[in-house]
Amino acid sequence: AQSVTQLDSQVPVFEEAPVELRCNYSSSVSVYLFWYVQYPNQGLQLLLKYLSGSTLVESINGFEAEFNKSQTSFHLRKPSVHISDTAEYFCAVSEGQAGTALIFGKGTTLSVSS
Amino acid sequence: ETGVTQSPTHLIKTRGQQVTLRCSSQSGHNTVSWYQQALGQGPQFIFQYYREEENGRGNFPPRFSGLQFPNYSSELNVNALELDDSALYLCASSLDRDNTIYFGEGSWLTVV
Repeated sequence: AQSVTQLDSQVPVFEEAPVELRCNYSSSVSVYLFWYVQYPNQGLQLLLKYLSGSTLVESINGFEAEFNKSQTSFHLRKPSVHISDTAEYFCAVSEGQAGTALIFGKGTTLSVSS
Repeated sequence: ETGVTQSPTHLIKTRGQQVTLRCSSQSGHNTVSWYQQALGQGPQFIFQYYREEENGRGNFPPRFSGLQFPNYSSELNVNALELDDSALYLCASSLDRDNTIYFGEGSWLTVV
């Protein structure tokens, strides 16, 4: 069975510092990997996704994630964070055909302070 | 803006009651799924509908049921509400089991 582990429940950082949010998954088959962001009292927004091809994927707001098959990881990084990046971040995986059920991790709270 | 609209945004129900949550998806999005997100947890998959038929279900009891309609709207029904059903319920839709799943803002359900 699939599972997703987000290794840090809370990550406090200062503005303009780099950040890495860690995500490991377990699956015996090929997977699709996603990062979603949830701002307070809002739904989930897709940040970026890995389906196939290049193992490094980027979002439009400076985040990137690298798919590492041997380590079954999909860590999220940003070289310089902003106050506005403060949110809950969820890693998710789906197996088989894309668009099927997502299995989410428990989330990582990123708190950016000045 | 994801194009997925949910209603109501907040509601309070009493234990044992029944509730219906509604979702309106983007035109053409024939796959809809529902997730339950308890406080401080990640979303958990309840079930998925594809072209108006259920085609996947998570570890939720039968008192959680759903419907998908031809106009790209859907419902989540929960019978015999329990206190542990208090959560944010998220609707998500995609086009033909596409790779991108769009989530609504969710419906907050409190069971007292």
